Amino acid sequence: AQSVTQLGSHVSVSEGALVLLRCNYSSSVPPYLFWYVQYPNQGLQLLLKYTTGATLVKGINGFEAEFKKSETSFHLTKPSAHMSDAAEYFCAVSDTRGATNKLIFGTGTLLAVQP
Amino acid sequence: DAGITQSPRYKITETGRQVTLMCHQTWSHSYMFWYRQDLGHGLRLIYYSAAADITDKGEVPDGYVVSRSKTENFPLTLESATRSQTSVYFCASSEIAGSQPQHFGDGTRLSIL
Repeated sequence: AQSVTQLGSHVSVSEGALVLLRCNYSSSVPPYLFWYVQYPNQGLQLLLKYTTGATLVKGINGFEAEFKKSETSFHLTKPSAHMSDAAEYFCAVSDTRGATNKLIFGTGTLLAVQP
Repeated sequence: DAGITQSPRYKITETGRQVTLMCHQTWSHSYMFWYRQDLGHGLRLIYYSAAADITDKGEVPDGYVVSRSKTENFPLTLESATRSQTSVYFCASSEIAGSQPQHFGDGTRLSIL
């Protein structure tokens, strides 16, 4: 069965610093992988996704993630944090290669950006 | 406006009461999902639907009932609310292909006293 582990429930960075949010997955088949962002009192918004092809995926708001099959990882990065990046971030993996469209979510990482 | 709408946004009720959370999407997406979000658990799938009149259980279905008579609507009912069902509930929808992302509503914050 698929699963997702997000290391670090809370991450704090300074404005302008590198953002690195970690995600490791377990999947018996090649996965579809997603990163979502959640701002307070809002639903989840898609940041980026990996399906096939290029392993470095660019998303909205300057975020990118790299699919590393050998490490079963899909870490999210942004070169320079902005105050507006403060939010909760969720990594997700598709269930059974998308046959049911179900997603398995990690428990989330709350990103704080210090001025 | 196109999108996915949940109502109500906030609801307070008492244990033992029946409560229905509504979800409406305008994209004609085939798939719809209900999640609950609790601290330390991330999002957990309650029920999902692949099409009208087709529903299936997710990870935490006990105490919940769903229906989908029309493609655009997917209501979630708590037949006899319990305090453990206090949570934030999210509805989502997606197109058929598994590579397509899910689109989320803004959630319903439900408190059961």
